[in-house]
Amino acid sequence: DTAVSQTPKYLVTQMGNDKSIKCEQNLGHDTMYWYKQDSKKFLKIMFSYNNKELIINETVPNRFSPKSPDKAHLNLHINSLELGDSAVYFCASSQDLGANTEAFFGQGTRLTVV
Amino acid sequence: AQSVAQPEDQVNVAEGNPLTVKCTYSVSGNPYLFWYVQYPNRGLQFLLKYITGDNLVKGSYGFEAEFNKSQTSFHLKKPSALVSDSALYFCAVRDDGNGGFKTIFGAGTRLFVKA
Repeated sequence: DTAVSQTPKYLVTQMGNDKSIKCEQNLGHDTMYWYKQDSKKFLKIMFSYNNKELIINETVPNRFSPKSPDKAHLNLHINSLELGDSAVYFCASSQDLGANTEAFFGQGTRLTVV
Repeated sequence: AQSVAQPEDQVNVAEGNPLTVKCTYSVSGNPYLFWYVQYPNRGLQFLLKYITGDNLVKGSYGFEAEFNKSQTSFHLKKPSALVSDSALYFCAVRDDGNGGFKTIFGAGTRLFVKA
């Protein structure tokens, strides 16, 4: 069983469209994240949720809206997609917010905006 | 503020030779340090972490890392590299000071192991 799974794996869409990426973890973790990896492989936190509560919102445009229906799921909805949104988006989870806990990552969603 | 530096974009090593991937950090409190590996078209995988205690930390796939507080470094090492170790390696840091709940990742170092 995949610990952190996100769908879809690839997403190609036109500018201005709205799209969603889904993420589920079966590890029983309390904390989930969204990261963005750009073309230079630089990885940056976007959002963090702990037990469905938003903890980190890292100066992300409000076109990006995370939703956590329960602590096992953290979905990412993106409105009015722009060319600059093209990147690989990773969902991750960790046991809790503790600084000593490692993260488990999904396989990533490669978003291409044309 | 937290920061992580990986000074080398790329490290090349011959199979069977020892490898080192460098990482230095800056935190306001006590550091919690991590190494992750990313294979092509995959998510990051956790390798090892330093929390406290012994400065030499052993992790997955024969990797180890040495925490050096005076040099604020956490270099990743392996005694004998394999071609299959070729991947992108990320150092990451969290702290218990003013870093909040964020993990800061370095820019990544690409490791090439030649047969």
